[in-house]
Amino acid sequence: DGGITQSPKYLFRKEGQNVTLSCEQNLNHDAMYWYRQDPGQGLRLIYYSQIVNDFQKGDIAEGYSVSREKKESFPLTVTSAQKNPTAFYLCASTTMEGSVTGELFFGEGSRLTVL
Amino acid sequence: GNSVTQMEGPVTLSEEAFLTINCTYTATGYPSLFWYVQYPGEGLQLLLKATKADDKGSNKGFEATYRKETTSFHLEKGSVQVSDSAVYFCALSDHGDDKIIFGKGTRLHILP
Repeated sequence: DGGITQSPKYLFRKEGQNVTLSCEQNLNHDAMYWYRQDPGQGLRLIYYSQIVNDFQKGDIAEGYSVSREKKESFPLTVTSAQKNPTAFYLCASTTMEGSVTGELFFGEGSRLTVL
Repeated sequence: GNSVTQMEGPVTLSEEAFLTINCTYTATGYPSLFWYVQYPGEGLQLLLKATKADDKGSNKGFEATYRKETTSFHLEKGSVQVSDSAVYFCALSDHGDDKIIFGKGTRLHILP
């Protein structure tokens, strides 16, 4: 079945360690996004990419990095520079038309807890 | 800049009650508007959308009408069920802008 797969679903890390969250889609979507969700804060955009080998910062990119070497993959690295990394991370994708119209398809999320 | 404001939750209702979740927006252009729903432990799913003024989006008994004059897109359902318990997000996409802006979400609890 087509969809977006995020892994791992739960992740625990020690402070100061970098972690990488995986996001893979087999929907042949051009655009991919990473959002962070905190209680009472809604969704905040971290990074997004509309084509391979290109990506843009969102509203809260500091302390994060991404790559887009393949159309189907958009991994997010939470670096040690991110001051408060404990959160629920959501990956989404859409077609080029959807990136304008706003119809996103979401993965099930990855919950990162920094100890 | 663009923004979305929705009513704070949690909203707690009894089964079969009428639901309204308010959403207002600020946009420089003529945005498309959306409601997304997030069930416990899951990602978001598109619930309904409207792309121009006076359009009504509807799905699973939920409705929302794009009101340009009041810059609103309130979500309504005539008779809620326990299975409607979730977090609801209002969102906008301003044509020509790559970003999709979400509200903070409203948690809905339906009691049997």
